[in-house]
Amino acid sequence: AQSVSQHNHHVILSEAASLELGCNYSYGGTVNLFWYVQYPGQHLQLLLKYFSGDPLVKGIKGFEAEFIKSKFSFNLRKPSVQWSDTAEYFCAFRTYNTDKLIFGTGTRLQVFP
Amino acid sequence: DSGVTQTPKHLITATGQRVTLRCSPRSGDLSVYWYQQSLDQGLQFLIQYYNGEERAKGNILERFSAQQFPDLHSELNLSSLELGDSALYFCASSPSPGSSYNEQFFGPGTRLTVL
Repeated sequence: AQSVSQHNHHVILSEAASLELGCNYSYGGTVNLFWYVQYPGQHLQLLLKYFSGDPLVKGIKGFEAEFIKSKFSFNLRKPSVQWSDTAEYFCAFRTYNTDKLIFGTGTRLQVFP
Repeated sequence: DSGVTQTPKHLITATGQRVTLRCSPRSGDLSVYWYQQSLDQGLQFLIQYYNGEERAKGNILERFSAQQFPDLHSELNLSSLELGDSALYFCASSPSPGSSYNEQFFGPGTRLTVL
């Protein structure tokens, strides 16, 4: 079955620490990959996306992600987190022949000043 | 603000009742998606409409139905509600289906509580 695995359920960091959130998807064909963020009480917002080309994609707010096809991974990174990055982060993918997004269970990030 | 609006923001109702959730897509978007976010199931795709027609179906219960109207707004109808239907229901929209570069924009959600 198509699924997304986010290994870290809850991550706690201090400001200025580096962040890496893991994401692995299960599907053997072509995919589009996404990271969404949900700030407390707000809707899902797109952080970044990968469709094709350079596997290292840059998003908003200093986030980036790297698509490694051989590992079916799309890990999210940020070199220095801020308190305002406290939120829930969702990895998702879509196969080439559908529009529906398949989401991971999310990673809750707490950043302390 | 994504441009997708959903009403109501909160809904509290009793088991066995029927409710309707409403979604207006971003201006120009023809495709609407419904997702359910619950503690035990996470974020799950329910159904997609494109220009008034059902395009894809996910894990949507038979007690649930949806439609998209000529003005492109969509409604999700939930009937014979059970406690387990309590969740956050998101609507998303995108310009058109099938495009490799399509991205979905999410609304603020409707929080449904079934007592």
